[in-house]
Amino acid sequence: GAGVSQSPSNKVTEKGKDVELRCDPISGHTALYWYRQSLGQGLEFLIYFQGNSAPDKSGLPSDRFSAERTGGSVSTLTIQRTQQEDSAVYLCASSLQLLTDNEQFFGPGTRLTVL
Amino acid sequence: LAKTTQPISMDSYEGQEVNITCSHNNIATNDYITWYQQFPSQGPRFIIQGYKTKVTNEVASLFIPADRKSSTLSLPRVSLSDTAVYYCLVGALNSGNTPLVFGKGTRLSVIA
Repeated sequence: GAGVSQSPSNKVTEKGKDVELRCDPISGHTALYWYRQSLGQGLEFLIYFQGNSAPDKSGLPSDRFSAERTGGSVSTLTIQRTQQEDSAVYLCASSLQLLTDNEQFFGPGTRLTVL
Repeated sequence: LAKTTQPISMDSYEGQEVNITCSHNNIATNDYITWYQQFPSQGPRFIIQGYKTKVTNEVASLFIPADRKSSTLSLPRVSLSDTAVYYCLVGALNSGNTPLVFGKGTRLSVIA
């Protein structure tokens, strides 16, 4: 595709359930990023990948959050035992390389609602 | 860890120049300054990036003083479609800290 895509666009789940959020970056982009945006708030950085490697997981809010990337392409953000405070829009972005001066291209986000 | 501070909101009339300043007192030597624009229900979109002095593209200008402790995004002659949230981002990857820090952004409202 031409841009970053994310699925699902909306996800409603019950407290305690696990959810998987998917990100398809722009083809050829080696760097991938996950952010979270709560209602009316700014972007909260979660994790980044260089290829399939995520060297710094310290931005993940808790050990219920995990992310992986396979084949240097698709990435999955998994939230286990969801809580109501996990409700937010989860944004994925990719850039050509893992360089600060590389533009990040964002997907439309996945809106997660935990009831 | 470079933290950014921006005004929460700004209002402007159509046709005016808008300047949004971001403070980043703890900016590190290898940090770049990047501005993004976000419309409702969309992901942010890159506007402009700089390291020092002045950068200009077809959308905006970015002014960075010598000490780099602040930066100013300048939008010439805004229109209603420029109503959005503008984020200042300061960071460098592989710095050993949480590499990328978005502030809460500045909500710009352009009025006819």
